[in-house]
Amino acid sequence: DSGVTQTPKHLITATGQRVTLRCSPRSGDLSVYWYQQSLDQGLQFLIQYYNGEERAKGNILERFSAQQFPDLHSELNLSSLELGDSALYFCASSTGPWETQYFGPGTRLLVL
Amino acid sequence: GESVGLHLPTLSVQEGDNSIINCAYSNSASDYFIWYKQESGKGPQFIIDIRSNMDKRQGQRVTVLLNKTVKHLSLQIAATQPGDSAVYFCAENGGYDNRDDKIIFGKGTRLHILP
Repeated sequence: DSGVTQTPKHLITATGQRVTLRCSPRSGDLSVYWYQQSLDQGLQFLIQYYNGEERAKGNILERFSAQQFPDLHSELNLSSLELGDSALYFCASSTGPWETQYFGPGTRLLVL
Repeated sequence: GESVGLHLPTLSVQEGDNSIINCAYSNSASDYFIWYKQESGKGPQFIIDIRSNMDKRQGQRVTVLLNKTVKHLSLQIAATQPGDSAVYFCAENGGYDNRDDKIIFGKGTRLHILP
């Protein structure tokens, strides 16, 4: 158990819908990262937050957004969902930038 | 559990033998490297890391070797066990010149243990 929690574990929705994925980092970690993992793309970095502020952006679509709240939990919002958005979404946390990231169990999203 | 990547390179190793998983990293400015293990249905799990001022670091049954000259990283697993079956990712930090401030993951290698 890494100490990072993610909810929900599974999510099934339809194209065009919007979903919110939630992540609680390890106690004391200030950085939160979001990744997308699909079968043919491997782990793709989406976005990073540090102590409530956006720190880095990766391959995140404009339909996706995220935020980190004062209590350091983070939410990833996915809107206008497409079939290709079906993937595993992982959250990771670390004490700070450049430090080892600890991953949550992931949320499996299936868009039908 | 689901498979992670259908087209990953696969290394098959006899149980009890040593495994060596290789990784070529991309950014010569990277100065921090990490190996992660991902078992089926789970998130990546930290195994071991190494900074660029070292060329070798040992953990429990694992050793990471870093060759900065050729930008190569390897993970050695001693006496491979069935529980070592997983996909292994190397990651680099891109160096402090990396304004994007993120960890860059490699494609992964699937380790398959033969009985």
